[in-house]
Amino acid sequence: DQQVKQNSPSLSVQEGRISILNCDYTNSMFDYFLWYKKYPAEGPTFLISISSIKDKNEDGRFTVFLNKSAKHLSLHIVPSQPGDSAVYFCAASGPSGYALNFGKGTSLLVTP
Amino acid sequence: KAGVTQTPRYLIKTRGQQVTLSCSPISGHRSVSWYQQTPGQGLQFLFEYFSETQRNKGNFPGRFSGRQFSNSRSEMNVSTLELGDSALYLCASSFYGTGETGELFFGEGSRLTVL
Repeated sequence: DQQVKQNSPSLSVQEGRISILNCDYTNSMFDYFLWYKKYPAEGPTFLISISSIKDKNEDGRFTVFLNKSAKHLSLHIVPSQPGDSAVYFCAASGPSGYALNFGKGTSLLVTP
Repeated sequence: KAGVTQTPRYLIKTRGQQVTLSCSPISGHRSVSWYQQTPGQGLQFLFEYFSETQRNKGNFPGRFSGRQFSNSRSEMNVSTLELGDSALYLCASSFYGTGETGELFFGEGSRLTVL
């Protein structure tokens, strides 16, 4: 039962433009949300997170937005760079902790 | 500061065999989690250990087991391998586990192929 869903398996964006990656979740008990980036042959690396008490968190070119009523979050990358090409995973954790629930990932390709 | 180290990086087994994967967390990290990554299912949580105790377990059959040692190093074992066990097995460490900040530090994974 997939509690975190990334419905777009892939996304292609031109360099300099905005990349928007979306994520939906079904479990209203989730209270912490994260984005991880993964390059081939490497483990995922943490990118940015947001607590359920906030609706926006910014870190440089990366901004995560959380809409709790819609159970939806998104990651905005502005401006997109070729080095951002990777698979992005959305993840969520609940008050019981100890486990992250991941989406299946969105493969982002930023073209020059 | 050394990252999370997983061994072996690649291995090939045949159906019915068993396999043991090893994970050394970042120094000072006491929580170790294991995840399975497959193309169709993404990353799925296997189990999490903290101070040698399993605190949480995902929805995997009993053939998947793990343990953590006093130095926080962890091993996972898969017995009676099936073709569907072919996957990238990722280990992640953190100070307290995802219950605190959620950030995990992942290793590069062990790529298991079952023939």
